[in-house]
Amino acid sequence: DGGITQSPKYLFRKEGQNVTLSCEQNLNHDAMYWYRQDPGQGLRLIYYSQIVNDFQKGDIAEGYSVSREKKESFPLTVTSAQKNPTAFYLCASSSRGLAETNTGELFFGEGSRLTVL
Amino acid sequence: AQKITQTQPGMFVQEKEAVTLDCTYDTSDPSYGLFWYKQPSSGEMIFLIYQGSYDQQNATEGRYSLNFQKARKSANLVISASQLGDSAMYFCAMRESYKYIFGTGTRLKVLA
Repeated sequence: DGGITQSPKYLFRKEGQNVTLSCEQNLNHDAMYWYRQDPGQGLRLIYYSQIVNDFQKGDIAEGYSVSREKKESFPLTVTSAQKNPTAFYLCASSSRGLAETNTGELFFGEGSRLTVL
Repeated sequence: AQKITQTQPGMFVQEKEAVTLDCTYDTSDPSYGLFWYKQPSSGEMIFLIYQGSYDQQNATEGRYSLNFQKARKSANLVISASQLGDSAMYFCAMRESYKYIFGTGTRLKVLA
């Protein structure tokens, strides 16, 4: 089945360590996104990529980095510079741009919950 | 700058009743899309309904309808005949070009 796979589902990290969250999609979507969600709050955009080898900062990119070397993959690295990294991270993709007749909704993975000890 | 506002942090509705969740948006782009998502306690994001800025009619999907008032920049979600399984967080989102921005959400509780 087509979809988005995020791993790991749960991750614990010590302060000062970098961690990388994986996001893979087999939907043939060009655009991919990373969001952060804090308890009881909305989704905030970290980074997004419209196409391979290109990505843009979202509203809260500081302390995060991404790469987009393959269409299917958009990993997110939470660096030690991120001051409060404990959160729920959601990866998404969209077919936006392929045809004006589609709604271009975001398809989401199941999320990765990062806890910094 | 894009902005999505959901002013209702929490809502209660009686089972089988209808409920309206509010969403207002702000954009200077004439072309945009509006979405509603449901997030149960499991954390998954479920797409519910879409409205394009040029659509003349309000979108409907089963028990969900979107009350789109372009001049007022509002895109309220109406859930008819509420069910216990509708209890969840609901997010309004807007797309401009490739960027999607979400509101802070409304937590809906359906009462038996």
